[in-house]
Amino acid sequence: KNQVEQSPQSLIILEGKNCTLQCNYTVSPFSNLRWYKQDTGRGPVSLTIMTFSENTKSNGRYTATLDADTKQSSLHITASQLSDSASYICVVSAVGGGNKLTFGTGTQLKVEL
Amino acid sequence: DAMVIQNPRYQVTQFGKPVTLSCSQTLNHNVMYWYQQKSSQAPKLLFHYYDKDFNNEADTPDNFQSRRPNTSFCFLDIRSPGLGDAAMYLCATSRDSRPARDGYTFGSGTRLTVV
Repeated sequence: KNQVEQSPQSLIILEGKNCTLQCNYTVSPFSNLRWYKQDTGRGPVSLTIMTFSENTKSNGRYTATLDADTKQSSLHITASQLSDSASYICVVSAVGGGNKLTFGTGTQLKVEL
Repeated sequence: DAMVIQNPRYQVTQFGKPVTLSCSQTLNHNVMYWYQQKSSQAPKLLFHYYDKDFNNEADTPDNFQSRRPNTSFCFLDIRSPGLGDAAMYLCATSRDSRPARDGYTFGSGTRLTVV
């Protein structure tokens, strides 16, 4: 069964600090992995999309890594800001799975002063 | 900017009273999806349209229906909303039927409250 697990479930950090969110998946055969940011009461917004051959991808202060061998991904947030407070969702697509996505349940990040 | 627009942002309906949520897109994407997302849970796919072809998920209740009159618009109809249907409803689009490298775009969602 295709699954995506994220950790931690929630995280509180001080403004300006860095943090790393984890995603482990069992989706196979792997096509791509996306990280989304979802503000409370809003739809998910794409941060990065990574395919099998990509190890690292950055989008501003967000850097995603992918290890397709261990089926793990991480999202690193540098110099956090209050506006980074949101849920971060890892989503994986399988080859031949049509366009169905397997969602993680997200990491709820809160950035405090 | 090309985007996926959902209306309304917030919808309150009475128990058992039919309600329709709308989604429009300017991306000219072939595929449109409806997801249900309850608090602190991952979005759950209800159904999707590939062009005019409707694809229902096996566990989507019959209470949920959808219409896609043209490429740009897709509607979610809840025939008799129950308290358990209160959730955020997300519309999404993608370019085609294969896992796309990009172009899987979500709308801002409609928060449905059932009273």
